[in-house]
Parts: sequence; structure tokens; C-alpha cells
Amino acid sequence: QKEVEQDPGPLSVPEGAIVSLNCTYSNSAFQYFMWYRQYSRKGPELLMYTYSSGNKEDGRFTAQVDKSSKYISLFIRDSQPSDSATYLCAMSYTGTASKLTFGTGTRLQVTL
Amino acid sequence: EAGVTQSPTHLIKTRGQQVTLRCSPISGHTSVYWYQQALGLGLQFLLWYDEGEERNRGNFPPRFSGRQFPNYSSELNVNALELEDSALYLCASSPLGGATEAFFGQGTRLTVV
Repeated sequence: QKEVEQDPGPLSVPEGAIVSLNCTYSNSAFQYFMWYRQYSRKGPELLMYTYSSGNKEDGRFTAQVDKSSKYISLFIRDSQPSDSATYLCAMSYTGTASKLTFGTGTRLQVTL
Repeated sequence: EAGVTQSPTHLIKTRGQQVTLRCSPISGHTSVYWYQQALGLGLQFLLWYDEGEERNRGNFPPRFSGRQFPNYSSELNVNALELEDSALYLCASSPLGGATEAFFGQGTRLTVV
């Protein structure tokens, strides 16, 4: 079993929809949780960063962490075609980028 | 401000050959990380360099090695290439040793035939 599980998709939604992306994990020591967005032929770009449990909002994006269920989510409101990308969750038990464990990514397509 | 730059963008090598990938971090960043992104496997941590020293290594064989130069740029070397080394190799940098937020380059696509 992988430490971090993420549905690969693809997930196709119409423009304006609310998108929910999720990851589950098995290591209860994870404390730092991140979401990256990766466009085709590009490197990942950090979208959201959360420490421990709770919610964090940034514009149209909301990240949620439920440590009791070992479950994290990224919500995208009013989705746009420009949101079409692969979304990677990542997590760490330390605060260092060298200890990140990534999910395999969910491919999202927002259609007109 | 320039982001993390990697070269070359694409590379085709034959099994058994050796390859060197290069990375220039964001100006002022001292830490460089190397990741492998193989199809279906997600990003796997390879190496972390900070202030010229190797600080941490992922679960990869010794034929994966690298170094960091005094200007904080970095090289990743892979010897005795195998078909399963075909992947996107990503370099990331961060401003402090061991910072959580890392900024990625566009990657080098390596194909081993």
C-alpha cells in the first residue's frame, strides 16, 4: 500500500463547477500538507500549504486537512478552463522539502 | 526574477550510457532538491544539496549521484542507464536549508532506449 493515495482521474467538470480533489494517507506522523498544480510539460507549482488540521482558503482554493481520518482535500470554486492541470498532494512529517511524499496526481479537465 | 532553470529540456540516451542533468536555482536559494517523476509513480525524492553538501538521499541506487557548486547550481549524474530510468527529472530550490516550500523547474525529460 502506498503511503499517499490519490485518484488519478481524469476528472472532467464543466466551467463554473466546484471541484473536489482528495488524498488519503497512512502515516499518522504527517504534519505538513501541500497541494501542487502541474501543467503539461511544466514543473509543479505550490498552490496551498497547511500545517496540521483545519482549513485554509486562498481565493477560489480551499484546502482541508482531517488528520483523524487521514484525509486531505482541495476545493476549487468557480472552476475555469485554466485550472485544467494535474493536481498533486504532498505531505511531510518534518518541515523540509526533502521529506515530501507525493501522491501520483489527479488530472483535472475543466470544459467550456 | 528568473525561476529554477534546468537543462537540457529533453534527452534520449541508450541503455548503459551515462547522463548529466543541470539545474540553476532561484537567485539567493541555497538548497537544491532532485526528484524523479516516472509515469504512474508520482514524484520520488532523489537528493538534497545545501551549501555544497549532500544532506539527504532518497531510496535510489548509488549510480544516481550529484553535486552542488559554489554558486549553488547543481548536477545530477546517472550512470549505467536502465530503461526504467526514463522519467521527468525535476529540480527544485528553496531559500533556506530544509525549508518546506520548494520551487520547481520545468524538468528534464529523459528517455532511455
